[in-house]
Amino acid sequence: GQQLNQSPQSMFIQEGEDVSMNCTSSSIFNTWLWYKQEPGEGPVLLIALYKAGELTSNGRLTAQFGITRKDSFLNISASIPSDVGIYFCAGLKFQGAQKLVFGQGTRLTINP
Amino acid sequence: DADVTQTPRNRITKTGKRIMLECSQTKGHDRMYWYRQDPGLGLRLIYYSFDVKDINKGEISDGYSVSRQAQAKFSLSLESAIPNQTALYFCATSYSGTSGRYYNEQFFGPGTRLTVL
Repeated sequence: GQQLNQSPQSMFIQEGEDVSMNCTSSSIFNTWLWYKQEPGEGPVLLIALYKAGELTSNGRLTAQFGITRKDSFLNISASIPSDVGIYFCAGLKFQGAQKLVFGQGTRLTINP
Repeated sequence: DADVTQTPRNRITKTGKRIMLECSQTKGHDRMYWYRQDPGLGLRLIYYSFDVKDINKGEISDGYSVSRQAQAKFSLSLESAIPNQTALYFCATSYSGTSGRYYNEQFFGPGTRLTVL
């Protein structure tokens, strides 16, 4: 099945650094969602994007819906230890499809 | 209390056994989903249900079946478990609602770790 190309697959950073990750596809998507998953838990929705070019923030997290509708970006500023986890992008091709397509995830590790 | 609960949280079983994973939600959502997560593959959709009388196959439905017993309950069955069904299984919910924007947001349960020996 189709998946989104998410990169990087893993990141090892120092506490306080900014983080950037992205998701790309050869297809157009109408909705982009970003989730975070911690060990032993299910994915938790961080940010939802519905419009090309949209830039949305949630605390230190900022996500953007790419103008081409084929990509999305997530940035985390001033990382802290509790940001550790796996971040997933997910896309919906059209309203009502309800079939989320997921990226493979970005595993974030932070050195204190 | 959690909005989406899954039972059991962990299960070890043997090849050929029948297994049922259960999902309950108190969010009042009408749509429910079952996903499977394998390392490096993200989440893949097994089955989804838009209401009690609606069941749809997802990307990887072979070897699985589901039952939507009520709006709040959606169970996943493995009729004859095999080792390559060892994975994390997640239930998710969403709301169709009257706002076209928000029914795309899916909310996940804590997951069931299934091991088939």
